Amino acid sequence: GAGVSQSPSNKVTEKGKDVELRCDPISGHTALYWYRQSLGQGLEFLIYFQGNSAPDKSGLPSDRFSAERTGGSVSTLTIQRTQQEDSAVYLCASSLGGGSGNTIYFGEGSWLTVV
Amino acid sequence: KNQVEQSPQSLIILEGKNCTLQCNYTVSPFSNLRWYKQDTGRGPVSLTIMTFSENTKSNGRYTATLDADTKQSSLHITASQLSDSASYICVIDNYGQNFVFGPGTRLSVLP
Repeated sequence: GAGVSQSPSNKVTEKGKDVELRCDPISGHTALYWYRQSLGQGLEFLIYFQGNSAPDKSGLPSDRFSAERTGGSVSTLTIQRTQQEDSAVYLCASSLGGGSGNTIYFGEGSWLTVV
Repeated sequence: KNQVEQSPQSLIILEGKNCTLQCNYTVSPFSNLRWYKQDTGRGPVSLTIMTFSENTKSNGRYTATLDADTKQSSLHITASQLSDSASYICVIDNYGQNFVFGPGTRLSVLP
């Protein structure tokens, strides 16, 4: 596609439920990133994929969070047993490669509200 | 201590005026520095990318400067427009696998 596409754009879920967020990167981009942004806060790194492998998972806040990427394209971020503190915007980004200097392009985010 | 600090935290200016946003970083190693614009409710959009050997980079009315010796960068916005109202985020690229984001400066341009 023309840009990074994320779905759903908005999600309201009950505490304790599982949610799955999807990211469709720009075609041909091998590097994919997930970030979290709480209201009024800066971006928090979650995970980085190069192809289908995730060389850096250091940002995942707990074992309730997991992510996968298949076919070197679409990625899903899964949050199990959601908590209210999980409420945030989840931003996906992609770039042509994982090397330095490549522009990273962000999607519009998935707004998650846990009630 | 944050590895990327930005100032001011927020800024209000009148349309047509210029402004300068600051970024100080301690991230090392450092391959390049990026400035992003994030409109409310939208994803960040890249404005400039500078390597450590570049001193300045322009993108229309936006001009970024970098002093790698003092680890400081600035983003200068000329002849501001209402559409410039957004958060401006300084990002340090730690060789492509680790991007360290600053907290952003919230700019409001008033008519």
